[in-house]
Amino acid sequence: GAGVSQSPSNKVTEKGKDVELRCDPISGHTALYWYRQSLGQGLEFLIYFQGNSAPDKSGLPSDRFSAERTGGSVSTLTIQRTQQEDSAVYLCASSLGLGQKQNIQYFGAGTRLSVL
Amino acid sequence: DAKTTQPTSMDCAEGRAANLPCNHSTISGNEYVYWYRQIHSQGPQYIIHGLKNNETNEMASLIITEDRKSSTLILPHATLRDTAVYYCIVRPHGNQFYFGTGTSLTVIP
Repeated sequence: GAGVSQSPSNKVTEKGKDVELRCDPISGHTALYWYRQSLGQGLEFLIYFQGNSAPDKSGLPSDRFSAERTGGSVSTLTIQRTQQEDSAVYLCASSLGLGQKQNIQYFGAGTRLSVL
Repeated sequence: DAKTTQPTSMDCAEGRAANLPCNHSTISGNEYVYWYRQIHSQGPQYIIHGLKNNETNEMASLIITEDRKSSTLILPHATLRDTAVYYCIVRPHGNQFYFGTGTSLTVIP
């Protein structure tokens, strides 16, 4: 079946503009994660959703970042008033659930965001 | 909140076994060890995970020490396509995965 799909694959924007990044998880996966990866760095956790529970937003770096997951499927990560330091690859992952054996995360190819 | 320690980089000759170590001395009794890899410009890819028994699948083997404080990922016959960053992860508090900076493995022809 289809894997995790992210769009766009590349996004170039001007400083101060808002951007929306989209993630389509694997069908049937109840958990969805967003990460950020700056050049040459490891992955930085941003937020995760599990079913109908309140999302864990503890990794969001500022109030300019927000995410929603509609209908328990597609998720959108929104960055308002983008700054140059927001430039990074934004990765989305999904998993079946939260149990140790179910928490294998499958990643999309990411969205490369460049803020000029 | 890193719970694992890995060497920054390693080299391996093509066709030889690549042995990637990971220390996780603070692992708790019910935490699994996961391994992922990330090939340049791609999202991370799951490799294998285990609790206390050694595990093997079509990609790799995972050897976990009896005290569970360290583990080794083994790629039995490394190919050039195995050049990637390898992440060893112990699931920390909640359900966050802390990926750290991993081990950059270079397979040399």
